[in-house]
Amino acid sequence: AQRVTQPEKLLSVFKGAPVELKCNYSYSGSPELFWYVQYSRQRLQLLLRHISRESIKGFTADLNKGETSFHLKKPFAQEEDSAMYYCALNSGGYQKVTFGTGTKLQVIP
Amino acid sequence: KAGVTQTPRYLIKTRGQQVTLSCSPISGHRSVSWYQQTPGQGLQFLFEYFSETQRNKGNFPGRFSGRQFSNSRSEMNVSTLELGDSALYLCASSLGGELITDTQYFGPGTRLTVL
Repeated sequence: AQRVTQPEKLLSVFKGAPVELKCNYSYSGSPELFWYVQYSRQRLQLLLRHISRESIKGFTADLNKGETSFHLKKPFAQEEDSAMYYCALNSGGYQKVTFGTGTKLQVIP
Repeated sequence: KAGVTQTPRYLIKTRGQQVTLSCSPISGHRSVSWYQQTPGQGLQFLFEYFSETQRNKGNFPGRFSGRQFSNSRSEMNVSTLELGDSALYLCASSLGGELITDTQYFGPGTRLTVL
């Protein structure tokens, strides 16, 4: 069975400091991985997906199959990055998504 | 484009009752997925519908069911409510084609409280 682990419930960083939100997964097949974000009083929304290999709002994430990780990184945190971040894995075809428990990122001014 | 809408936004029920939640996807989207979100378990996949057919199902008891109509609107039903069913129920819509990386767009959720 697939599983997504986000070991940190809360991550506090100072503005301008680097950010790394950890995500590890277990899945026997070829995973499709995503990061979703939920800002205060807003809906859950897609931040980025590994297959696109894109940078969104300065965030990047690299799939490391050897370490089964998909950590989210940003070199310089901004206050507006404060939000709840969820790592997710799409398996079993179509939309069968397993979410991690989420990490709350708090950027201290 | 209007976003995903869910009704009602809040519900209070008592144990043993049943409840129906509704989700209207973004126009043109044919896939609707449902999730249960709780503080303890996080977001858990319930099921996904595409063209009125259930394509995927999570690990929830049979008390949780759903359906999708020809206009892609979806409903989920929970029968014989238990206290543990108190949660935020989210639905998400997507185009639903063959691409498994299809972007999901989430609704605001329905907050269900079971007393």
